[in-house]
Amino acid sequence: GAVVSQHPSWVICKSGTSVKIECRSLDFQATTMFWYRQFPKQSLMLMATSNEGSKATYEQGVEKDKFLINHASLTLSTLTVTSAHPEDSSFYICSARDPTYGVKRNEKLFFGSGTQLSVL
Amino acid sequence: GQQLNQSPQSMFIQEGEDVSMNCTSSSIFNTWLWYKQEPGEGPVLLIALYKAGELTSNGRLTAQFGITRKDSFLNISASIPSDVGIYFCAGRSYNQGGKLIFGQGTELSVKP
Repeated sequence: GAVVSQHPSWVICKSGTSVKIECRSLDFQATTMFWYRQFPKQSLMLMATSNEGSKATYEQGVEKDKFLINHASLTLSTLTVTSAHPEDSSFYICSARDPTYGVKRNEKLFFGSGTQLSVL
Repeated sequence: GQQLNQSPQSMFIQEGEDVSMNCTSSSIFNTWLWYKQEPGEGPVLLIALYKAGELTSNGRLTAQFGITRKDSFLNISASIPSDVGIYFCAGRSYNQGGKLIFGQGTELSVKP
């Protein structure tokens, strides 16, 4: 069964509204979670690294005020797309690292099922 | 930053045929991973490789970590319709904070 739960699976919103996406680790405590963005038939692009209890680390070119990340607990990270616009429409995927496997084995990076955001 | 070049971009094959795809990097990776993604879903890990030269199998899938640490390939033998999907390579380098860098993906279509 899924060990990382991502909700919602899809969301349609009006331009200018904010959308929150949740990523939960179900079977482990995830000190680190990652948020990716994926355009149709393209690769996953890392947006930010979310660390529990501290500020997220954003990749170059990603607006931190636009994509707010909160990792308030060891099992939940949220991504809020603020004042969404049509160009923000994309597939957003989170992943969570199971720390029990250690640094060299972080292939135990479990992915959520993704959220398809459509901004009208 | 580091980039991965994955090829081919797409493949259309007949059921039963073997498939090969590869990824190359401009710099060294410490880990190579291969994922499969189906429409509307997140990637699922297929094979993980940790050492240069390592050859690992998972059922009909075989992947190798290149000796130079700058490339990897994935082979699928005797393809079946359920192999359809997009396959991504991903590399991880310790000097990049352990972040995964993904290739562009190979879209596989299998004709029954």
